[in-house]
Amino acid sequence: SQTIHQWPATLVQPVGSPLSLECTVEGTSNPNLYWYRQAAGRGLQLLFYSVGIGQISSEVPQNLSASRPQDRQFILSSKKLLLSDSGFYLCAWSLNYLRETQETQYFGPGTRLLVL
Amino acid sequence: SQQGEEDPQALSIQEGENATMNCSYKTSINNLQWYRQNSGRGLVHLILIRSNEREKHSGRLRVTLDTSKKSSSLLITASRAADTASYFCATVRNTGGFKTIFGAGTRLFVKA
Repeated sequence: SQTIHQWPATLVQPVGSPLSLECTVEGTSNPNLYWYRQAAGRGLQLLFYSVGIGQISSEVPQNLSASRPQDRQFILSSKKLLLSDSGFYLCAWSLNYLRETQETQYFGPGTRLLVL
Repeated sequence: SQQGEEDPQALSIQEGENATMNCSYKTSINNLQWYRQNSGRGLVHLILIRSNEREKHSGRLRVTLDTSKKSSSLLITASRAADTASYFCATVRNTGGFKTIFGAGTRLFVKA
């Protein structure tokens, strides 16, 4: 069965510090991968998605970046965090649309980031 | 603007009552999905309804889709305290690749 991992679960970082959040998926190959941010009590904002290694699409211009160095690894990074980067970050995967027409997404447990 | 918008934003009911949440969207879709999120956790997929379907059931969940009104509803029957969570609709469009857009969610509180 497929599983998705995110770490760390919680992170407190000072403004201006770098960020690296990691997401890995097991039990599937060539998944679509997604990074979302969720403000407290709000919906999900899609930040990045990837349909393959090295292929990243950005949905919202900001000081964050994403990379996919391996098929089932997705990393969210920042060189200098802002206060507004605080939030709940969720990674998700879905079957590649070429093989599956329904884009059900499967979410990781999330990382809560607090920038002080 | 949001593709999927749920209402109400928050709903409080007694255990045993039914809970109905609505979702409206603006453009044509391939399918619509409902997800659940417990506080501080990731989202869990509940049910998917395709654009050519009108109603779908899964256990105590009933989802309807009216493409002419661009709206969907999620009904949870005989609610339990454990149903307390946020519920999100997500619309999927085929724009040369499937794109999913989530609404802001409905926060459901079921009182025991």
